[in-house]
Order: sequence, then C-alpha cells, then structure tokens
Amino acid sequence: EPEVTQTPSHQVTQMGQEVILRCVPISNHLYFYWYRQILGQKVEFLVSFYNNEISEKSEIFDDQFSVERPDGSNFTLKIRSTKLEDSAMYFCASSVRGHETQYFGPGTRLLVL
Amino acid sequence: AQSVAQPEDQVNVAEGNPLTVKCTYSVSGNPYLFWYVQYPNRGLQFLLKYITGDNLVKGSYGFEAEFNKSQTSFHLKKPSALVSDSALYFCAVRSLDTGRRALTFGSGTRLQVQP
Repeated sequence: EPEVTQTPSHQVTQMGQEVILRCVPISNHLYFYWYRQILGQKVEFLVSFYNNEISEKSEIFDDQFSVERPDGSNFTLKIRSTKLEDSAMYFCASSVRGHETQYFGPGTRLLVL
Repeated sequence: AQSVAQPEDQVNVAEGNPLTVKCTYSVSGNPYLFWYVQYPNRGLQFLLKYITGDNLVKGSYGFEAEFNKSQTSFHLKKPSALVSDSALYFCAVRSLDTGRRALTFGSGTRLQVQP
C-alpha cells in the first residue's frame, strides 16, 4: 500500500540555523500539506500546496517558512532561521484531490537547541 | 472557525468490552469528519471518515463512528476492544462548504485497553 514518507525521522539543530524537512507524497496525489504537533499539544495545520503554489496557510506559517516541490516526487518544508519554539513533530500529508482523505507520513521530530 | 473537542484525555477499557471515544465539533456549514490513530513513534493513520449518507460509518480494524448532527458529535466506537487498540486517537473536522482544506484536530484521547 502506498505511503507518505518523510526524512529525516529526527533532526537536531541550533537556533538560527536553516532546516529542510523532506517528504515524498503518495505518487498519484495532487494536494500536499504540512502540519506540526508541539509536544503534548494538538496537531496544527501549517500549509497546503497544489499546482505548484500555496493554496492555504495558517497564521503559524510566517515568512520564516517556505514550501517547495523541487521535482516530481519531493515536497519540502524549509524553516529559514529556526527558533526554540519550532521544536515539534512535523507531519507531511497528501490527498488525491482537495476534498479527499489526507494521508499522513510518520513525521520528522525537530529539536531546536 | 472550526474546532474539535475531545473531552477525555484518557479512556480505560478492559479487553473484550465495548469502547467509546468522544468527539464534538464546531464548523461552518456541513462537516467532513475524520478519525485518525497514532501509535508510538508513528504517524497519523486514517481510520474512517464521514462526509454524507448513513450516520454510522465503518472503518479500519473494526472501528465505527456515529455522526449526530443535532449533538454535533462524532463518537468513535468498537464493540470489543483489543489490547492492540491502545493508542492515541484524534478526531478532526473541516467544512464541506468553504474552500478550506485544512483539518482542525482535537487534542487527542489516549485509549488504554487492559488485558
């Protein structure tokens, strides 16, 4: 069964450094998403992406964040200058179409020191 | 604005007994409702969804959920719990009637099934 994959599974970085989180969505899916879950808190929506552009974003997704689909398979989330409060589990998800079920990857645990 | 409430942080049930994990929601227009499960060190796995039609929806691993429009609830149920069902369960909602695709999640309910 096709799955969303994410790399790395864990990443530790210093405050102020740039990080790139990578995702490979399910191959025939057209909509891509990033969510995050701060330890002990709710899963929160960050951004959705369709047809090579952002279709929706939350207040969390400020200028420090960007997303890209650099090729036909990868979908990336970049945090330009990490802050301590960016420490969280980041989940990538994809759906066939916008109204269909979102399937989630295993997550990347980001720790900012 | 969309919101989801899962009033129980933890539900304990004995193996073989029925289980219910509660969820209520608030959304503009008609809801599109989901249950996801998270096992330790794993991502969110889709269990089931309600979009329209029969109020009782069946999903993976013997789980089902009942949509109640008047009570704005979407409780997750299983007739006979297994120890392997122990995990963190999340209810999520989005509106069918707006252009937004973002899911709003509840805070999660930890299900503990005792042997």
